[in-house]
Amino acid sequence: QVQLQESGPGLVKPSETLSLTCTVSGGSISSYYLSWFRQPPGKGLEWIGYISYTGTTDYSPSLRSRVTMSVDTSKNQFSLRLTSVTAADTAVYYCARQLSGYFYFDYWGRGTLVTVSS
Amino acid sequence: DIQMTQSPSSLSASVGDRVTINCRASQSISHYLNWYQQKPGKVPKLLIFAASSLQSGVPSRFSGSGSGTDFTLTINSLQPEDFATYYCQQNHNTPYTFGQGTRLEIK
Repeated sequence: QVQLQESGPGLVKPSETLSLTCTVSGGSISSYYLSWFRQPPGKGLEWIGYISYTGTTDYSPSLRSRVTMSVDTSKNQFSLRLTSVTAADTAVYYCARQLSGYFYFDYWGRGTLVTVSS
Repeated sequence: DIQMTQSPSSLSASVGDRVTINCRASQSISHYLNWYQQKPGKVPKLLIFAASSLQSGVPSRFSGSGSGTDFTLTINSLQPEDFATYYCQQNHNTPYTFGQGTRLEIK
């Protein structure tokens, strides 16, 4: 059974860096394109970007200057870094998988709320 | 960016009703359109992929149609567990984008 689990600090100070990890269990991450999403409280879903199992990345233009994604295949882990955060970055952050050759997100992590506040 | 516009934004219906939710893309996305269901405090759940393919385990009362720029999600014979927010999402081009959501409420 494939499972994705986000982890990381739930509180980040303004101007600092948000760092999250998505750990995949239940199988190999080969053929994964792992996307990160976020959802501000009471609002809709926003795609942040993806990273493939080979390390290829594609970021949303609105966040590109502040986002870095990475992958550690030995640990089945994907990571997200978002720099210079503000209150507008407060949201539930999700990771979700898309398999190579498929065009949908079928498995999602449970999400983690990150609050930006001093 | 491809803009996705859903209508209506909210909808009231009764158990047993048939409802349709529409999604329009700002440019052609062929069949690269997915539908998700999200309940409060829960994870988005894939219902329909590639515009009309039912995800495994999803009840057959859910169906999708459309191609190009106009798409529809239909729910036949609404069940109590179907009251939720529904999002369309395009996977044609990055940045992947979602509609603003349609909140389906109990009448």
